Amino acid sequence: GQQLNQSPQSMFIQEGEDVSMNCTSSSIFNTWLWYKQEPGEGPVLLIALYKAGELTSNGRLTAQFGITRKDSFLNISASIPSDVGIYFCAGQTYSGGGADGLTFGKGTHLIIQP
Amino acid sequence: EAQVTQNPRYLITVTGKKLTVTCSQNMNHEYMSWYRQDPGLGLRQIYYSMNVEVTDKGDVPEGYKVSRKEKRNFPLILESPSPNQTSLYFCASSLAGYYGYTFGSGTRLTVV
Repeated sequence: GQQLNQSPQSMFIQEGEDVSMNCTSSSIFNTWLWYKQEPGEGPVLLIALYKAGELTSNGRLTAQFGITRKDSFLNISASIPSDVGIYFCAGQTYSGGGADGLTFGKGTHLIIQP
Repeated sequence: EAQVTQNPRYLITVTGKKLTVTCSQNMNHEYMSWYRQDPGLGLRQIYYSMNVEVTDKGDVPEGYKVSRKEKRNFPLILESPSPNQTSLYFCASSLAGYYGYTFGSGTRLTVV
């Protein structure tokens, strides 16, 4: 199946710093999604992107759908302790029968140091 | 409350003993999907369903079965579980597949 390369694998930052993470693929996706997972819970959708070049914000989070449709990035501004968690990118393609399932990156583990 | 409900949350079983993990959603979503999550491997799709009686294999379908007889339910069946199926499993649903998926809280399965 398709693979997504997500980086960095982990980030150790100070509270108040900005964060940036990205995902790249060798193949094109029609939709890019960003999820956050906290311990003991399922992933929660943060931002969905549907068009190449699209830039979308959700509070302090901003994500972009790359022009080539093979990449996406997520920025978090002015990080706070509750931002701690694992962030996943996911890509989705559409086939003749409809939307295919999601392909996930391996996640970026965000740790905020006091 | 709109949600995806999985049961059980935790399960320990023995090799070869058939088991079913249930998944139900109350949002009238058409799409449903199963994932497994393993350290270092992230989330990998097992099966997905685009509607009642319509299912398709994901990236890691071997050793699993699914059925979609009703829109709200999408059970995951392990006919003969093996230790390499020890994992954290998530069910998810989506209105039309394009709008992102809502995930359940997970089922942690251990096969000994």
